Amino acid sequence: GAVVSQHPSRVICKSGTSVKIECRSLDFQATTMFWYRQFPKQSLMLMATSNEGSKATYEQGVEKDKFLINHASLTLSTLTVTSAHPEDSSFYICSADRDGHEKLFFGSGTQLSVL
Amino acid sequence: AQSVTQPDIHITVSEGASLELRCNYSYGATPYLFWYVQSPGQGLQLLLKYFSGDTLVQGIKGFEAEFKRSQSSFNLRKPSVHWSDAAEYFCAVPSNDYKLSFGAGTTVTVRA
Repeated sequence: GAVVSQHPSRVICKSGTSVKIECRSLDFQATTMFWYRQFPKQSLMLMATSNEGSKATYEQGVEKDKFLINHASLTLSTLTVTSAHPEDSSFYICSADRDGHEKLFFGSGTQLSVL
Repeated sequence: AQSVTQPDIHITVSEGASLELRCNYSYGATPYLFWYVQSPGQGLQLLLKYFSGDTLVQGIKGFEAEFKRSQSSFNLRKPSVHWSDAAEYFCAVPSNDYKLSFGAGTTVTVRA
């Protein structure tokens, strides 16, 4: 089956630094990728839709200058958490769209801890 | 917008016993419905999905779900749970623009 690779799986950083998370579709091309955020014991909240070759679409309440998304190729989307603060600590998950929502594959997630 | 509700936050079940997780949807027409499983610290894996046709859907890992329009439900079932089924389970429905909207999730604990 299709594989989506997310890296790193875990990152600890100091407050004020920036962290980049990568999401790759390994065996298919994904024109659309999604970034989710998940707090402990809670559901996934969609942050943004990443579109190859164009600007990402952010959900209401998500700071686009805080969470920079780049989808430079059909197999790679990156999420950069800029000037991270402890409240940004969370589990971030990406998904890649192959042939519409019928074929949506998830990465294994990234646990971000900001000290 | 379409949404799903998972009434049970946490369910504990004995190994070998049956399991049923509830999911109710809010949508006028026939929705697309999904069930995902998430192991601790992991991403999501699709268990099964319903688009149309047969209302009883078979999935992976021995799971099945039944779409009931009269009850606006899409409950997930497994006849005999294994310890490895301990995880978080999410019901999901696409929103108008094909993004997925997830329920709050149900945590399943399996006791020996």
